[in-house]
Amino acid sequence: GIQVEQSPPDLILQEGANSTLRCNFSDSVNNLQWFHQNPWGQLINLFYIPSGTKQNGRLSATTVATERYSLLYISSSQTTDSGVYFCAVVGGQNFVFGPGTRLSVLP
Amino acid sequence: ETGVTQTPRHLVMGMTNKKSLKCEQHLGHNAMYWYKQSAKKPLELMFVYSLEERVENNSVPSRFSPECPNSSHLFLHLHTLQPEDSALYLCASSQDWGTGELFFGEGSRLTVL
Repeated sequence: GIQVEQSPPDLILQEGANSTLRCNFSDSVNNLQWFHQNPWGQLINLFYIPSGTKQNGRLSATTVATERYSLLYISSSQTTDSGVYFCAVVGGQNFVFGPGTRLSVLP
Repeated sequence: ETGVTQTPRHLVMGMTNKKSLKCEQHLGHNAMYWYKQSAKKPLELMFVYSLEERVENNSVPSRFSPECPNSSHLFLHLHTLQPEDSALYLCASSQDWGTGELFFGEGSRLTVL
């Protein structure tokens, strides 16, 4: 089945810093999403981005489907950005999640 | 109400108890999912229902029993669980199986004593 990798596994930032999270996948996809899991466990939808570039406030994402990767950019990070960021793709008919990047933003 | 809602948010049960988790989606979606997330582990797909029919059962022990009475509701019935079943159980829905955007509920945190 399709494999999804995320890097880095852990990231510690000072408030105000920028960061880039990466998602690599092993096969072509037509469905890719980024999620943020907050400290209470809820998964919040960030982007539905099978291809191209999208921006939402301080966050933006780019998916290059032909090269099998997606990037999530966080600018001017805030402590509320802390949590785990997951990317998910569809392999077969099931959503396959990466292992996540754990982000800690320090005040 | 909008989105996907799960109840209860927290549940503590003994190994001999029987309890149920409930999920309701208000998005008009046709597919619903149960995921399990244990501490510091990736999300594990448990079950998928498409148009109220179970289409995926990911080698889940029989002590977990799903039920989908209609396209808006999904239950996970729990009986004779083990302490290692303690985890966050997440319900999700999408327009159809494997298509569209996946939306999650808030999760039900289960502790088995």
